[in-house]
Amino acid sequence: EVQLVQSGAEVKKPGESLKISCKGSGYSFTSYWIGWVRQMPGKGLEWMGIIYPGDSDTRYSPSFQGQVTISADKSISTAYLQWSSLKASDTAMYYCARHRDSGSTRPFDIWGQGTMVTVSS
Amino acid sequence: DIQMTQSPSTLSASVGDRVTITCRASQSISSWLAWYQQKPGKAPKLLIYLASSLESGVPSRFSGSGSGTEFTLTISSLQPDDFATYYCQQYNSYSRTFGQGTKVEIK
Repeated sequence: EVQLVQSGAEVKKPGESLKISCKGSGYSFTSYWIGWVRQMPGKGLEWMGIIYPGDSDTRYSPSFQGQVTISADKSISTAYLQWSSLKASDTAMYYCARHRDSGSTRPFDIWGQGTMVTVSS
Repeated sequence: DIQMTQSPSTLSASVGDRVTITCRASQSISSWLAWYQQKPGKAPKLLIYLASSLESGVPSRFSGSGSGTEFTLTISSLQPDDFATYYCQQYNSYSRTFGQGTKVEIK
């Protein structure tokens, strides 16, 4: 079964760093782009960026460029989303998702279960 | 960024109704459009890709149409399981964007 399993919920303070993960299984992890999507409480979906684990080619939304870092470790089939200094406005559910097939111009067909990040002093 | 605008934001309908949701792009995206369904507390689910191709396992009462800048998602006969929020997404440009969502509520 193809699946993406995300790391658990996090509660952090403003200014702290954080790295959340997304582990793929049941398919060739290096052959499919993986992306991250933010959903703030009660709000819609926001596309953050994507990475191709095969060569770490990464693309960011202008809204998130410089605010987060997307990376992947193909040896353990895991993608990451990282913050160096969290803000309260980073409080949201974060989903990872896989492209429908091995192309860069594709929708997401497989989604992780989501990781809730809460940033509060 | 290409802006995606959905209408309506909320839609009240009854079981058995035909429902249509519209998504407009701020510039042409050819047919690089997907539709997703999201239920509360769950991850989104892909329904339609390439504007009109039905994802495997999705009921045939869902259909998509359009190209360029105007697209529609139609549910031919609304079922109880279809009450959810629907999002369009363009994947034409380097930076992909979602519409703001359309919540389909029980009338």
